[in-house]
Amino acid sequence: DTGVSQDPRHKITKRGQNVTFRCDPISEHNRLYWYRQTLGQGPEFLTYFQNEAQLEKSRLLSDRFSAERPKGSFSTLEIQRTEQGDSAMYLCASSLVGLSSSYEQYFGPGTRLTVT
Amino acid sequence: DQQVKQNSPSLSVQEGRISILNCDYTNSMFDYFLWYKKYPAEGPTFLISISSIKDKNEDGRFTVFLNKSAKHLSLHIVPSQPGDSAVYFCAASEETSGSRLTFGEGTQLTVNP
Repeated sequence: DTGVSQDPRHKITKRGQNVTFRCDPISEHNRLYWYRQTLGQGPEFLTYFQNEAQLEKSRLLSDRFSAERPKGSFSTLEIQRTEQGDSAMYLCASSLVGLSSSYEQYFGPGTRLTVT
Repeated sequence: DQQVKQNSPSLSVQEGRISILNCDYTNSMFDYFLWYKKYPAEGPTFLISISSIKDKNEDGRFTVFLNKSAKHLSLHIVPSQPGDSAVYFCAASEETSGSRLTFGEGTQLTVNP
């Protein structure tokens, strides 16, 4: 068990460019979550997957954001036409939810996005 | 609408003493509560959790207390150690929402040697 990994750790991009982040969850976990954290705030929920199905999207997730989890393994989060307000830490978490499991989510180190 | 609030942005305690971090929530549908610790440039690390059917859960130096009638929970760390210095986040979830977490703003704990 190597934990949740995210790539890249840092991304600097110019306004208007597209960016894509990757998350590799803990291998046996069936749920994968994306959160966004800005300075001085707690993480805010963006979206989550149960296996490969995207089951919920927050109203924070505008049309410029899209997430996928093909084959129920790794996930990608793409932001199109980035804006300066997109600058934040993007966190991925995974959990194993089932009959006898609890609801703890385990987080990756995050991707720090800076839009200039 | 801030459904989970941590009203103390910072807390400073002496090594060996007790640290008490507080959290209030407004959504009565929350049925699971968690505490996370976060160091700079890292993701949150899970510490301890409690289900709404319990009022206390203990794990080593960490104890979480839940008062459902007051919609309040607290994290006690005894004894506090300098390595505990970090930002602590309270989080809550409801099973029917897919267990997405709603976080408080965090409390910066500093443990002085």
